[in-house]
Amino acid sequence: KQEVTQIPAALSVPEGENLVLNCSFTDSAIYNLQWFRQDPGKGLTSLLLIQSSQREQTSGRLNASLDKSSGRSTLYIAASQPGDSATYLCAVSNNNDMRFGAGTRLTVKP
Amino acid sequence: KAGVTQTPRYLIKTRGQQVTLSCSPISGHRSVSWYQQTPGQGLQFLFEYFSETQRNKGNFPGRFSGRQFSNSRSEMNVSTLELGDSALYLCASSWTPTSGNEQFFGPGTRLTVL
Repeated sequence: KQEVTQIPAALSVPEGENLVLNCSFTDSAIYNLQWFRQDPGKGLTSLLLIQSSQREQTSGRLNASLDKSSGRSTLYIAASQPGDSATYLCAVSNNNDMRFGAGTRLTVKP
Repeated sequence: KAGVTQTPRYLIKTRGQQVTLSCSPISGHRSVSWYQQTPGQGLQFLFEYFSETQRNKGNFPGRFSGRQFSNSRSEMNVSTLELGDSALYLCASSWTPTSGNEQFFGPGTRLTVL
């Protein structure tokens, strides 16, 4: 059974800092890994999708990497801003469903 | 292009009642998945529909059911509501079934069971 873990559970950084969020999964037989952002009480916003054959994806200040063999992914946020404050979730998909981590709650202080 | 829409946004029900939630996917998307999000259990997969057929089902009791219409809109129904059913219910759409495709989520329906 696929299990997805995100570390740390919460992170507080000053504005402008670069940061890394971690996601690990137990079963490497995945089709893709997706990073989402969730603001309090809201739905999920897709940030980056990495197919199983890819190693990384970039969008603006965000860069996500995938190492399927070790069951790990990282989300790198450059030059963090207060508007980046949210919960970040990673999710892995196989043929049957999508499994989510518990998320990392990020606070960027002005 | 309109995103995924969910109605209603908020619901308050009492134990024993039933509820129906609706999800309209992005135009052209044929796959709709439903998820339950609670503080204790996080996000959990309920079921996925593709071309009006349930393709996958998560580990939830039979009180949770769903369907998909020919226009890809989907509904989920929860019967005999329990206090523990209070949650944010999210639906997501994609072009084809989950594997390999980016999922786009709606804003969710917040269900409170009293």
